[in-house]
Amino acid sequence: EDKVVQSPLSLVVHEGDTVTLNCSYEVTNFRSLLWYKQEKKAPTFLFMLTSSGIEKKSGRLSSILDKKELFSILNITATQTGDSAIYLCAVLRDDKIIFGKGTRLHILP
Amino acid sequence: DVKVTQSSRYLVKRTGEKVFLECVQDMDHENMFWYRQDPGLGLRLIYFSYDVKMKEKGDIPEGYSVSREKKERFSLILESASTNQTSMYLCASSHRDEYETLHFGNGTRLTVT
Repeated sequence: EDKVVQSPLSLVVHEGDTVTLNCSYEVTNFRSLLWYKQEKKAPTFLFMLTSSGIEKKSGRLSSILDKKELFSILNITATQTGDSAIYLCAVLRDDKIIFGKGTRLHILP
Repeated sequence: DVKVTQSSRYLVKRTGEKVFLECVQDMDHENMFWYRQDPGLGLRLIYFSYDVKMKEKGDIPEGYSVSREKKERFSLILESASTNQTSMYLCASSHRDEYETLHFGNGTRLTVT
């Protein structure tokens, strides 16, 4: 059975800390791994990772994929209160996206 | 900018009622999806559609049906609402070969009493 497992499920840190969110997966016909950020409303797309070892960066956020070990990490450096959100990891297989349960991140001022 | 609009932000219905959740996208996307999101369970796919009048079951289709009569509109139907269908419902769309770049609506929080 296909699965996407995120850890931790929730995390509370202080502003300025660096956090690492984890995502492991077991899916057949893997095409790519996706990260989304969900604040109060719709999830918004962050990254798509297809190749191992190539870091994707956007400001203070970065992500990397290891296709041999079947996992990805999302790093956020110098966190801000605006980073508080649910971070969703998802895997695209064939024509279907499978989501993990999400990591709820809360940044304390 | 892509816009995916869900007709209601909050909805309260009684057990046994027939419920319609509407979703409209304005970017001529072929693919449309309905998910439900529950604490501790994440997003789960209910139904999806690749084209007008086409529909495919997702992971949890029981108790739901869908309708796609026009390309821009994808409706989720709860034939007889039950309390275990209380949830946040999210609609999403994408271009035919761009499954990874899902565009989500803001969600409908449905409460069934």
